[in-house]
Amino acid sequence: ETGVTQSPTHLIKTRGQQVTLRCSSQSGHNTVSWYQQALGQGPQFIFQYYREEENGRGNFPPRFSGLQFPNYSSELNVNALELDDSALYLCASRPGPNYGYTFGSGTRLTVV
Amino acid sequence: RKEVEQDPGPFNVPEGATVAFNCTYSNSASQSFFWYRQDCRKEPKLLMSVYSSGNEDGRFTAQLNRASQYISLLIRDSKLSDSATYLCVVNLANDMRFGAGTRLTVKP
Repeated sequence: ETGVTQSPTHLIKTRGQQVTLRCSSQSGHNTVSWYQQALGQGPQFIFQYYREEENGRGNFPPRFSGLQFPNYSSELNVNALELDDSALYLCASRPGPNYGYTFGSGTRLTVV
Repeated sequence: RKEVEQDPGPFNVPEGATVAFNCTYSNSASQSFFWYRQDCRKEPKLLMSVYSSGNEDGRFTAQLNRASQYISLLIRDSKLSDSATYLCVVNLANDMRFGAGTRLTVKP
């Protein structure tokens, strides 16, 4: 069984640029969420997708957007990058609403 | 008030000690509850689910008190390998909210 995989593992971008992060969910999981984790903090919920529709969103501005594809893989897009966007971005998937999430190993984004 | 609040820590304990972590949550509509473990520079990994009846997995015991909106994790006979950050997680219908985590260091 393949777990959650994310790409790339590391990324350096310049302020104002746009970035796309990718995630393949675990087999059999139809729900994907994205989290931002700054150093020393717990993961902060960005949004959740269920069957290609966003059905939950945290306190992040509209420049954070996403997609989920028919195979349940997902993308996180961030426009107009700011220095404070530097963080570990975690993708997680689960098979249903009351299950725990399985996390990918994350993408470490640095904005300079 | 934060949605999920945990003991600030850090906890530094000797091997073999018993350590307890506490967590409170603010949203009474929360549906399910979990403890995750996160090692340094790694992703969170599910440790265990938490039920009102209490549940045990080896040296780990988790408890939920819905009336008090309180969750606990007890680790008995702690091992060096238990050193990690422990994250309390509360699940609403369409998102999961994490506490900031409590750092545990188990020393020889």
